[in-house]
Amino acid sequence: NAGVTQTPKFQVLKTGQSMTLQCAQDMNHNSMYWYRQDPGMGLRLIYYSASEGTTDKGEVPNGYNVSRLNKREFSLRLESAAPSQTSVYFCASSDAGTGLSEAFFGQGTRLTVV
Amino acid sequence: GNSVTQMEGPVTLSEEAFLTINCTYTATGYPSLFWYVQYPGEGLQLLLKATKADDKGSNKGFEATYRKETTSFHLEKGSVQVSDSAVYFCALSDWDFNKFYFGSGTKLNVKP
Repeated sequence: NAGVTQTPKFQVLKTGQSMTLQCAQDMNHNSMYWYRQDPGMGLRLIYYSASEGTTDKGEVPNGYNVSRLNKREFSLRLESAAPSQTSVYFCASSDAGTGLSEAFFGQGTRLTVV
Repeated sequence: GNSVTQMEGPVTLSEEAFLTINCTYTATGYPSLFWYVQYPGEGLQLLLKATKADDKGSNKGFEATYRKETTSFHLEKGSVQVSDSAVYFCALSDWDFNKFYFGSGTKLNVKP
């Protein structure tokens, strides 16, 4: 049982380049999330998807887009990368509709924008 | 709105010392509360959780009690080990909107 799988694990981009971070979960969870983690700031929610076919903005959505491709997959796209987007990105999933379930996290993607 | 505040680190302890990491929350409803642990280079793993007031979550010697009257969920361990060195995050879930809110994290260093 793989849980939440993110690709790639590491990435270096030049300013202005685009890329898509991939995330897949095999736990049949309805809800999926993208967070970024920066030193001293904890985790900040970028976008989330409460169910297949829906997406909503979190705290820091600017510069990002997402796609909930199906129930398993939730991708995060940077259209024109900026140095301020250098961060560690985590995908998570949850059966959050019950109000009782925890979030399960992937291993993270370390992104550097130069 | 919803938010989580936890004590700033780093916290440095000697092996076998008692650990407390404070966490308080603000919530509009009746959230579930969580502690997650993050080891270097890894994702977050659930350490323990509590889903209603007065519940005690426990795992691997760590404990936390959901205190609605003080809006707190402090993490404790009676005797820490070097292997407990990690970053600890307090979190709450907002079940109305399927969201999770995290504190800023507390780094724990345990010295032999």
